[in-house]
Amino acid sequence: DQQVKQNSPSLSVQEGRISILNCDYTNSMFDYFLWYKKYPAEGPTFLISISSIKDKNEDGRFTVFLNKSAKHLSLHIVPSQPGDSAVYFCAAKPPGNNRKLIWGLGTSLAVNP
Amino acid sequence: KAGVTQTPRYLIKTRGQQVTLSCSPISGHRSVSWYQQTPGQGLQFLFEYFSETQRNKGNFPGRFSGRQFSNSRSEMNVSTLELGDSALYLCASSLLRDRYNEQFFGPGTRLTVL
Repeated sequence: DQQVKQNSPSLSVQEGRISILNCDYTNSMFDYFLWYKKYPAEGPTFLISISSIKDKNEDGRFTVFLNKSAKHLSLHIVPSQPGDSAVYFCAAKPPGNNRKLIWGLGTSLAVNP
Repeated sequence: KAGVTQTPRYLIKTRGQQVTLSCSPISGHRSVSWYQQTPGQGLQFLFEYFSETQRNKGNFPGRFSGRQFSNSRSEMNVSTLELGDSALYLCASSLLRDRYNEQFFGPGTRLTVL
């Protein structure tokens, strides 16, 4: 039972355009959501997070939007750069002292020059 | 500050053997988590250790075990290896007091079981 779903295994965009990566979740009790980026042969690196009490968080070219009624979040990358080509994971944190993050399967983004 | 280190980076074993993977967390991080990554399965949580105690456990068979030492370094052991154990094994460390459990990952150990 996948509590965090990234329904698009892959995405291809042109350099300079917007990349939109989507994530859906089933548990309305998650209190934080995180996005990680992973290059081949490296571990994932933290990108950006959002609290469940917010609907938007922005950090440079990266913005995460949270729609709680739809149990949906999205990561926007504007403008996309070839160096953004990586696998992006969405993760959710349950509330309270449970520290076990719940991960999506990832979306592979290719930014074409 | 040095990042999370994992050794070895690559490992080839045969079915039935056992393997031990090592992880050194970022200095000051006392929580260490282990994940298995396989194509199409994303990051599967194995277990988390803090203060030498297992705090959380994922849905893996008992062949997968771990431990943490007093210096926060952690080891993961897989016994009686199966072909399906071929994967990238990732270790992540974190502070216990952050709000959203930001995990800092090592580069992983690529295990191939023949």
